[in-house]
Amino acid sequence: AQSVAQPEDQVNVAEGNPLTVKCTYSVSGNPYLFWYVQYPNRGLQFLLKYITGDNLVKGSYGFEAEFNKSQTSFHLKKPSALVSDSALYFCAVRDIGGYQKVTFGTGTKLQVIP
Amino acid sequence: KAGVTQTPRYLIKTRGQQVTLSCSPISGHRSVSWYQQTPGQGLQFLFEYFSETQRNKGNFPGRFSGRQFSNSRSEMNVSTLELGDSALYLCASSSNYNEQFFGPGTRLTVL
Repeated sequence: AQSVAQPEDQVNVAEGNPLTVKCTYSVSGNPYLFWYVQYPNRGLQFLLKYITGDNLVKGSYGFEAEFNKSQTSFHLKKPSALVSDSALYFCAVRDIGGYQKVTFGTGTKLQVIP
Repeated sequence: KAGVTQTPRYLIKTRGQQVTLSCSPISGHRSVSWYQQTPGQGLQFLFEYFSETQRNKGNFPGRFSGRQFSNSRSEMNVSTLELGDSALYLCASSSNYNEQFFGPGTRLTVL
């Protein structure tokens, strides 16, 4: 069975500082990995994905994520946080093999402090 | 392209009633998934449909059901509503295994 762990319920970071939101995953085969962001009272918005290729993936709003196969991690990063980045972030995984569903992590609330 | 639309946006029902939620995916997307989001349980997968066939199902009781039509529009139905069914129900569409695009959700309140 596939699973995703987001070990931090909340991450606080000062505006202008780099931010990291952690994600680890478990799949039996090779993973498709995704990050989504949810603003209050809104649906989820796609940020970026890893399918294959370069381990460093760049996405929307200046976010990037690094796929690390040996550590089974896919941490979300941004060099300089903005107050407007404050939101709920979800990591998700789908096993490439077979018709597997997408499994989401429990979400990490990012609070950027002015 | 128009985004994923969900109707209605808000619903208030009483225990024991039945409810049907609707989702229209992005044009050309054949996969539609449904999720239940609650503050305590996070994002829980309900089911996924692809070309009118249920491809995956989550761990929800049989009161939760869904279907997909030939135009890829999808509905989910919850019968005999319970207080614990109060949640935000999210629909997402995708083109096969690519990223999902989410609708704004339907906020269901069960009294």
